[in-house]
Amino acid sequence: RKEVEQDPGPFNVPEGATVAFNCTYSNSASQSFFWYRQDCRKEPKLLMSVYSSGNEDGRFTAQLNRASQYISLLIRDSKLSDSATYLCVVNRGSYIPTFGRGTSLIVHP
Amino acid sequence: GAVVSQHPSWVICKSGTSVKIECRSLDFQATTMFWYRQFPKQSLMLMATSNEGSKATYEQGVEKDKFLINHASLTLSTLTVTSAHPEDSSFYICSAPPPLQGDEQFFGPGTRLTVL
Repeated sequence: RKEVEQDPGPFNVPEGATVAFNCTYSNSASQSFFWYRQDCRKEPKLLMSVYSSGNEDGRFTAQLNRASQYISLLIRDSKLSDSATYLCVVNRGSYIPTFGRGTSLIVHP
Repeated sequence: GAVVSQHPSWVICKSGTSVKIECRSLDFQATTMFWYRQFPKQSLMLMATSNEGSKATYEQGVEKDKFLINHASLTLSTLTVTSAHPEDSSFYICSAPPPLQGDEQFFGPGTRLTVL
């Protein structure tokens, strides 16, 4: 089983839709969790950290479920500019990041 | 915010040659940097952890003699792909965690290597 698993998609949604991604991780000792966004042929950029209590940043909401070992990302009111690959990142010991393969989102008019 | 640069941004070389990629933290010191490789439509795969002043730690399956890492200063790590072959063609990215900013990563813009 891979350390971090994501559905690669693509998720194809119309503008204004709400879309959710899940990511599961296998190492119960994982310490910190993030969602990154990666545009084609570019480096990943941090979208948001994920906290146990859940956190929201504008249209984006992230949740962590340690018992079930998954994190989620909810995007409300999708914009065309949200089209990208969303990477789930889990830090194992010594803050070494492990990346999921990413979930592709395509928002169309 | 913290900035990490990479050089070159792209390189094309002949099979058998060696290629050096530089990763610099521009406005902070990084005792640790990470090197990744990403093939098309694949995830970033961690290759190694670069440690300032000591040997790099390689992930399982990564040949340390082929991918030489040197972290000679607190702002520079280099990755040298020795005797490159076409299968080494990939997108190489480095990252560093700025101190006192939690454990998120700041990424360099990446280096696209094409081996002919």
